[in-house]
Amino acid sequence: DGGITQSPKYLFRKEGQNVTLSCEQNLNHDAMYWYRQDPGQGLRLIYYSQIVNDFQKGDIAEGYSVSREKKESFPLTVTSAQKNPTAFYLCASSTIATNEKLFFGSGTQLSVL
Amino acid sequence: AQSVTQLDSQVPVFEEAPVELRCNYSSSVSVYLFWYVQYPNQGLQLLLKYLSGSTLVKGINGFEAEFNKSQTSFHLRKPSVHISDTAEYFCAASRGGNQGGKLIFGQGTELSVKP
Repeated sequence: DGGITQSPKYLFRKEGQNVTLSCEQNLNHDAMYWYRQDPGQGLRLIYYSQIVNDFQKGDIAEGYSVSREKKESFPLTVTSAQKNPTAFYLCASSTIATNEKLFFGSGTQLSVL
Repeated sequence: AQSVTQLDSQVPVFEEAPVELRCNYSSSVSVYLFWYVQYPNQGLQLLLKYLSGSTLVKGINGFEAEFNKSQTSFHLRKPSVHISDTAEYFCAASRGGNQGGKLIFGQGTELSVKP
């Protein structure tokens, strides 16, 4: 079955540590996105990519980094510069032609130890 | 700047009762509007979307929404809810053009259906 796979489901970060969240899709979508979800705040866009080897900052990119070396993969690194990383992170993808509909992964809950 | 406001953070309702989840948007340009549903510890699924045409949009699971340009609203309705509709619902707006996938989300409304 086609879809988006995020791993791990739960992740814990120690002080000063970088952690990487995985996102893989087999939908052959060109565009991929990372959103952060906090209770009562909805979803906010961190980074997005519309083509391999290219990506753009979203609304809250500070403290995060991404790469897009393959069409299928869009990993997100939460760096030590992100002072409040505890949140639910959602990866999504879409085609360019019908890019209004997003397909979401099941999310990664990141917590700070 | 565009924004999306969901007017209720929590909506409790009894099973088989009707429900309306309210959403208002602000924009100086045409927008595409969406409702997504999120079940606990899962990603979001598209319920319905408005791109153009008829202002009454029907979606999955018996939900529908009405686009009202004069009131800048896109309220979600269901005439009779089930326990399985318990979830969080997000209204979202596209930024338009080639930024269509960069959605602006509302804060979410938690629908709780009680027996």
